[in-house]
Amino acid sequence: SQQGEEDPQALSIQEGENATMNCSYKTSINNLQWYRQNSGRGLVHLILIRSNEREKHSGRLRVTLDTSKKSSSLLITASRAADTASYFCATPQGGSEKLVFGKGTKLTVNP
Amino acid sequence: DAGVIQSPRHEVTEMGQEVTLRCKPISGHNSLFWYRQTMMRGLELLIYFNNNVPIDDSGMPEDRFSAKMPNASFSTLKIQPSEPRDSAVYFCASGGTGLSYEQYFGPGTRLTVT
Repeated sequence: SQQGEEDPQALSIQEGENATMNCSYKTSINNLQWYRQNSGRGLVHLILIRSNEREKHSGRLRVTLDTSKKSSSLLITASRAADTASYFCATPQGGSEKLVFGKGTKLTVNP
Repeated sequence: DAGVIQSPRHEVTEMGQEVTLRCKPISGHNSLFWYRQTMMRGLELLIYFNNNVPIDDSGMPEDRFSAKMPNASFSTLKIQPSEPRDSAVYFCASGGTGLSYEQYFGPGTRLTVT
């Protein structure tokens, strides 16, 4: 079953601009994770935010979590062409290590 | 560490043939996951193991699919017989045990069944 749903499906911006992607989920979670996938490659873990955290930073990444709205956002500041990739949110399901991934946001950063 | 290793990277086979995909997880990781990714269905979890034991295989589409993990450093996903609709990229990922562990993905095997 689909747990996380990213929005928008696709986003195209210019280098230097900020990119914001959103994720909504349906059930209570212990944590929410964001992953990046470059074309033709495997997913790479970016950041994990726990349910008792509201905001987390990692370099140019900022993640927020609103458990009351069951939503999260990923902000990439000062984007670069190398940030071009698909971004997925993922949440554990059923109290297990099993992660359910959304369909992703495809980000294109134009030089 | 070399990360998660998958082989082969590409596989082209004819319908009806047996296909075996292989995965070597990161040393020390207790959990191993097999995913399938297609444009239509996105990323789907097929099966996952914890300490070499299959925990959840509810995502395995049919009896044609089977997975094994004979030891902590090796797993296989087998499709027999293969069908064109099995064409996809298959990823193996490994991680720790518990709810707050990220998963580390391999580079994937691109399977084409003609």
